[in-house]
Amino acid sequence: KAGVTQTPRYLIKTRGQQVTLSCSPISGHRSVSWYQQTPGQGLQFLFEYFSETQRNKGNFPGRFSGRQFSNSRSEMNVSTLELGDSALYLCASSLGQPGFSSTDTQYFGPGTRLTVL
Amino acid sequence: KQEVTQIPAALSVPEGENLVLNCSFTDSAIYNLQWFRQDPGKGLTSLLLIQSSQREQTSGRLNASLDKSSGRSTLYIAASQPGDSATYLCAVRPTGGTSYGKLTFGQGTILTVHP
Repeated sequence: KAGVTQTPRYLIKTRGQQVTLSCSPISGHRSVSWYQQTPGQGLQFLFEYFSETQRNKGNFPGRFSGRQFSNSRSEMNVSTLELGDSALYLCASSLGQPGFSSTDTQYFGPGTRLTVL
Repeated sequence: KQEVTQIPAALSVPEGENLVLNCSFTDSAIYNLQWFRQDPGKGLTSLLLIQSSQREQTSGRLNASLDKSSGRSTLYIAASQPGDSATYLCAVRPTGGTSYGKLTFGQGTILTVHP
């Protein structure tokens, strides 16, 4: 079974631009979560989508947004990029079925490395 | 607010040594706790998941324990090898509400196993 895939793997943008990152979950998984990883803050939760609905959101400004499509693929968008948005963005997928949270393992993709100049 | 702490921040050991990584969390209302491994510049690989009702899980040379009441978990690595060198992260999934996908991570332990 193929793992979680993320595209692109590397991105270089300048301040003020916007960027869209893509994530394809493991086949059959309906939950997709996004995380930002930086050396200073570590791994921080951005948001989670299940069946095309945002189910949970972390403490990030409105410049960070996402969506999920009917095939469970997800995109996240960052508008008006700032230098501090430079990070590794990780996507994770899981079955996401309510009532199975205690056994639901999250599987992570390789990440997208975003550099903002 | 859930906080997860990992000790030590870094650990260097000779090959063959048994070692223990520690993880503590402030809120015991969790569904489960996961241990991950991250190689430099890469994504996370899930190692073990312990449900809140379980005390431990084993996979090969790895054994993870959970004491939910005291807010602690340990990851035991037996007979360490240079290939075990990586950053090890623990993460907890909270109960309640719609926090299904929201994991709270520790800062990680950087493990170096030298030949």
